[in-house]
Amino acid sequence: AQSVTQLGSHVSVSEGALVLLRCNYSSSVPPYLFWYVQYPNQGLQLLLKYTSAATLVKGINGFEAEFKKSETSFHLTKPSAHMSDAAEYFCGHDMRFGAGTRLTVKP
Amino acid sequence: KAGVTQTPRYLIKTRGQQVTLSCSPISGHRSVSWYQQTPGQGLQFLFEYFSETQRNKGNFPGRFSGRQFSNSRSEMNVSTLELGDSALYLCASRQGATEAFFGQGTRLTVV
Repeated sequence: AQSVTQLGSHVSVSEGALVLLRCNYSSSVPPYLFWYVQYPNQGLQLLLKYTSAATLVKGINGFEAEFKKSETSFHLTKPSAHMSDAAEYFCGHDMRFGAGTRLTVKP
Repeated sequence: KAGVTQTPRYLIKTRGQQVTLSCSPISGHRSVSWYQQTPGQGLQFLFEYFSETQRNKGNFPGRFSGRQFSNSRSEMNVSTLELGDSALYLCASRQGATEAFFGQGTRLTVV
């Protein structure tokens, strides 16, 4: 079965620091991969998606993710964290999602 | 274009009762999926419907069921509610293999 694994249920960074949220997928076929963000008491909002057009995908709010087939990874990064980035992030593959990573941004 | 609409937004039920949640997808989207979200358990896949047929199912007991109507609207039913069923239930719709669009969710509390 296809699945995604998010490493780290909680990540804490200082404002201005690099954000790195990890996601690995398992699949034998070229995947569609997604990153979503969820703010408190809201549904999930798409940050970015990989559909095999380019390995480096840019999304909203300054986030980007790199698809690495050799590592079966699709990690999410942002060069400089902002307080407003504090939320829960989900990596998705087809209709399945990882367990989520809660990002905390310290002032 | 209207987004995914879930009703009701909040619900309180007693153990042993049953509940029905509703989801109206984005117009033109034929796939609807349901998820249960609880603290510590993340987003757990319940099932996916496409053109009125269940296409995929997660690892949930038979108390959890769903259906999809010809207009793509979907309902999810949970029978014999347990305290552990308290969660945020999210519905998502999509067109083809593209990204899913999520509703705001229904917060179910079982007392």
